[in-house]
Amino acid sequence: KAGVTQTPRYLIKTRGQQVTLSCSPISGHRSVSWYQQTPGQGLQFLFEYFSETQRNKGNFPGRFSGRQFSNSRSEMNVSTLELGDSALYLCASSRGTGGGEQFFGPGTRLTVL
Amino acid sequence: ELKVEQNPLFLSMQEGKNYTIYCNYSTTSDRLYWYRQDPGKSLESLFVLLSNGAVKQEGRLMASLDTKARLSTLHITAAVHDLSATYFCAVGVLRGGSNYKLTFGKGTLLTVNP
Repeated sequence: KAGVTQTPRYLIKTRGQQVTLSCSPISGHRSVSWYQQTPGQGLQFLFEYFSETQRNKGNFPGRFSGRQFSNSRSEMNVSTLELGDSALYLCASSRGTGGGEQFFGPGTRLTVL
Repeated sequence: ELKVEQNPLFLSMQEGKNYTIYCNYSTTSDRLYWYRQDPGKSLESLFVLLSNGAVKQEGRLMASLDTKARLSTLHITAAVHDLSATYFCAVGVLRGGSNYKLTFGKGTLLTVNP
């Protein structure tokens, strides 16, 4: 069974640009959550999508947005990039949104110059 | 707001020794997760603890949950170098209906020295 996949694995952008990251969950999983990991702040929850609807949201500015498609694949978008957005972005999938075990993808390493 | 505190944050231990990592959390929860992360890699699920008194073991790692004390422990027995990694605990909190949000601790960087 294929795991969670994320593309691209590495990205370099400059301040002010925008970026879109993609996540394909494990087959049969309908929930996708996104996390930002930085050395200073650790792992922080961004948002969760289930059945194409945002179910939970963390404390991030509106520049961070996401969506989920009917096949459960999810994208997150960051507009007007800032230096502080440099991080490892992880997505995790689970069967449902009821607190089930989450399986993480390999992450996208975003560097903002 | 839920706070999840792990300690220690850094742990250097010798092979063959035992040690425990602690995870305290501030709000009632009935589910707690332990993950392992190797440098530059993603998170690997180790244990899911769903009820008070739950104990799970895999190899040299054993995790337990005390929901009354809001405490989980990850015990390492006879450490080996391969266990060197960062270990995270994560607490699930119900946010209406069946929606859970995971909040992670800051992680414990474990280094096992020969």
